[in-house]
Amino acid sequence: RKEVEQDPGPFNVPEGATVAFNCTYSNSASQSFFWYRQDCRKEPKLLMSVYSSGNEDGRFTAQLNRASQYISLLIRDSKLSDSATYLCVVEFNQGGKLIFGQGTELSVKP
Amino acid sequence: DARVTQTPRHKVTEMGQEVTMRCQPILGHNTVFWYRQTMMQGLELLAYFRNRAPLDDSGMPKDRFSAEMPDATLATLKIQPSEPRDSAVYFCASGLVDEQFFGPGTRLTVL
Repeated sequence: RKEVEQDPGPFNVPEGATVAFNCTYSNSASQSFFWYRQDCRKEPKLLMSVYSSGNEDGRFTAQLNRASQYISLLIRDSKLSDSATYLCVVEFNQGGKLIFGQGTELSVKP
Repeated sequence: DARVTQTPRHKVTEMGQEVTMRCQPILGHNTVFWYRQTMMQGLELLAYFRNRAPLDDSGMPKDRFSAEMPDATLATLKIQPSEPRDSAVYFCASGLVDEQFFGPGTRLTVL
């Protein structure tokens, strides 16, 4: 089993749609969780951290379920500019080692 | 606007040649990471350093890869000899606590 598993993509959605990405992780001792975004042929960039209480940043909402070892990202009112690959990331230990999921590609169409 | 810089941005070489990739982390960041990204494997951690000391290089093929931090402003990743299966994008990232800032990557093609 991979340490971080994500929904297979690609997701093709129309502008304005709501889309949800899911991710599961295997290390129950993990403490920190993130979503990164990677545009085509660019480097990954932090989108948002994921907190136990859930957190929201504009149209983006991240949720964490520690009992199920499950992380989600919800994008509301999707824009063309949201088209990218979304990477689920889990800190492996408290030393800063991050494990990246394979990523889920999102394509938002007009 | 502080950024991680990497050189070269692109490298095409022949099998058997030595390849050296360089990274300048963001000033003040004490942790530096090397990743490799391919379509098949995704983003894999090769090695990382904290305060210039290697912490984990378990993701790196030791027989041909080596990573060093000669000083706080320079990290290097060397492949000798290179093989076609090493073709990938190599990213360097630096950070302080949780967030990692990635460089633009070195796109390596080994023929």
